[in-house]
Amino acid sequence: QQQVKQSPQSLIVQKGGISIINCAYENTAFDYFPWYQQFPGKGPALLIAIRPDVSEKKEGRFTISFNKSAKQFSLHIMDSQPGDSATYFCAASRQAGTALIFGKGTTLSVSS
Amino acid sequence: DAGITQSPRHKVTETGTPVTLRCHQTENHRYMYWYRQDPGHGLRLIHYSYGVKDTDKGEVSDGYSVSRSKTEDFLLTLESATSSQTSVYFCAISEQGWSSPLHFGNGTRLTVT
Repeated sequence: QQQVKQSPQSLIVQKGGISIINCAYENTAFDYFPWYQQFPGKGPALLIAIRPDVSEKKEGRFTISFNKSAKQFSLHIMDSQPGDSATYFCAASRQAGTALIFGKGTTLSVSS
Repeated sequence: DAGITQSPRHKVTETGTPVTLRCHQTENHRYMYWYRQDPGHGLRLIHYSYGVKDTDKGEVSDGYSVSRSKTEDFLLTLESATSSQTSVYFCAISEQGWSSPLHFGNGTRLTVT
């Protein structure tokens, strides 16, 4: 019930293409779904987050799509750039007290 | 990096020795966390603190203890280091708990030989 399953484990996308990373969760009480971006040698940094009262949130080239009935959410990176090459983690938690549970990460490489 | 300093940044130690990692924040955030990152496992919560002297266990707390005597400092101690504790350790802080953004430090790479 506490797992967050992330796929794919790694992804190679050409410059200008769309990167899509998917996550699935089990605990229907989760109400906060952030994505974190991590560059080598650095700590993860919050990229974008969504709550289940909306189905989509967009910030620049980054979009979260959320499907409550399917218990899935995904990150779309439009017009992917080499600078987007990083590891991405999805996560989920419940405001009332569930620890933030992270997926296992996706390593994205954007080729120029 | 949101005013978070982890020390040391790198450490090599021998099996059986105690090790203490330090996290120092300048943001006056109430919540502090210790995570470990391992290939194939993502980020896993070790311990967290919701105030001075208020701490609780996370998913992988066995073999670890923590202390928080001041708002700005959160210490992680490996009581008797084992090779399975070789990992990258991240400290994080947040203002309002689980559903607010976590700000991470740059990590401590610990090798237990």
